[in-house]
Amino acid sequence: ETGVTQSPTHLIKTRGQQVTLRCSSQSGHNTVSWYQQALGQGPQFIFQYYREEENGRGNFPPRFSGLQFPNYSSELNVNALELDDSALYLCASSTGQRRGTEAFFGQGTRLTVV
Amino acid sequence: QKEVEQDPGPLSVPEGAIVSLNCTYSNSAFQYFMWYRQYSRKGPELLMYTYSSGNKEDGRFTAQVDKSSKYISLFIRDSQPSDSATYLCAPYYGGSQGNLIFGKGTKLSVKP
Repeated sequence: ETGVTQSPTHLIKTRGQQVTLRCSSQSGHNTVSWYQQALGQGPQFIFQYYREEENGRGNFPPRFSGLQFPNYSSELNVNALELDDSALYLCASSTGQRRGTEAFFGQGTRLTVV
Repeated sequence: QKEVEQDPGPLSVPEGAIVSLNCTYSNSAFQYFMWYRQYSRKGPELLMYTYSSGNKEDGRFTAQVDKSSKYISLFIRDSQPSDSATYLCAPYYGGSQGNLIFGKGTKLSVKP
């Protein structure tokens, strides 16, 4: 186990609704990245937070937003859900020094939009 | 052209076989080359990574990078049924930008 926990594990939402996903980072890690993994695809980078500030964003619309808290846990919010938002949402935590080479993933939240 | 290309398979081999998994990439700025393993319904876990060109060995696993041809390989020796998973390559620029660029993943099945 990586020490990165995500909640909830599964979620079903209706198109147009809003959803909040949560991630608790590994102890000592100050960076959290969020990824979207559609079925049969590799994870795609949504954004990254470092010490409560957004530090990079992938090609996702503004209805995907996030927060990082002083304890370095994080939330991913998605507004106006679309059917294509159905995916596994992964968060990865790391230290500021080794954001890519020591990124530990949680087991993900599987979101289904109907 | 996609930044990272990876044959999704599926790849099925008998137990004990040598497995070769491969990726190509387009951006020569990548410095680190990560391999993740993802079991069904789980998050990816880091297997190993290589910096720049060359080989790196860890037990039954060997990662190889050829920057001149932009080609990444992962070899698994004496494959086991427990190796059955999806393998994701993920080049990484390094530095302050920590986002990984993942391939589609190759689904591997090792039959007893």
